[in-house]
Amino acid sequence: AQSVTQLDSQVPVFEEAPVELRCNYSSSVSVYLFWYVQYPNQGLQLLLKYLSGSTLVESINGFEAEFNKSQTSFHLRKPSVHISDTAEYFCAVTRVYNQGGKLIFGQGTELSVKP
Amino acid sequence: ETGVTQSPTHLIKTRGQQVTLRCSSQSGHNTVSWYQQALGQGPQFIFQYYREEENGRGNFPPRFSGLQFPNYSSELNVNALELDDSALYLCASSLFSAPGAGELFFGEGSRLTVL
Repeated sequence: AQSVTQLDSQVPVFEEAPVELRCNYSSSVSVYLFWYVQYPNQGLQLLLKYLSGSTLVESINGFEAEFNKSQTSFHLRKPSVHISDTAEYFCAVTRVYNQGGKLIFGQGTELSVKP
Repeated sequence: ETGVTQSPTHLIKTRGQQVTLRCSSQSGHNTVSWYQQALGQGPQFIFQYYREEENGRGNFPPRFSGLQFPNYSSELNVNALELDDSALYLCASSLFSAPGAGELFFGEGSRLTVL
């Protein structure tokens, strides 16, 4: 079975500051990893994913995450945040070759960007 | 391209009643997954439907059931509602054969309140 732990439930940060949202996972098999973002009163949107290849993956809006197999981590980073990045962020995992939509989500990290 | 749509957006039921939630999947997707997101928690996998059959189930009792129709739309039914069933119910569509199969496209959810 897989599990996901997001180490911070809330992360307050000032605009233009860097941020890191931490995610650790547990699995006895190889996994795919994802970060989803949920804006208030909306569904989840895929931010970025790691399937294979380069361990550093990037999103179109400046976020990046690095897959670290030895530390079983997939932390999300952004060098300079904007007010519009305020949202709930979820790390998720699914085992490789999983056919279909069974994702295991973490509890979420609320990112609050202040002016 | 039409996204995932869910109905109703909000509803209130009393304990013991039954509820049906509906979901239209994104154009071109053949798999539908349902998730329950309790307040302050990450989404939890309920089940997935592919080719009109249940194809994976999370740790939810049999009073949670579903259907998928030939046009890939889906319903989630919950019988004998309990107070703890109060949550945001998210529908997600995907392609069964897509690499990673975890790139889910979520609707905005149906918020159920059980009194």
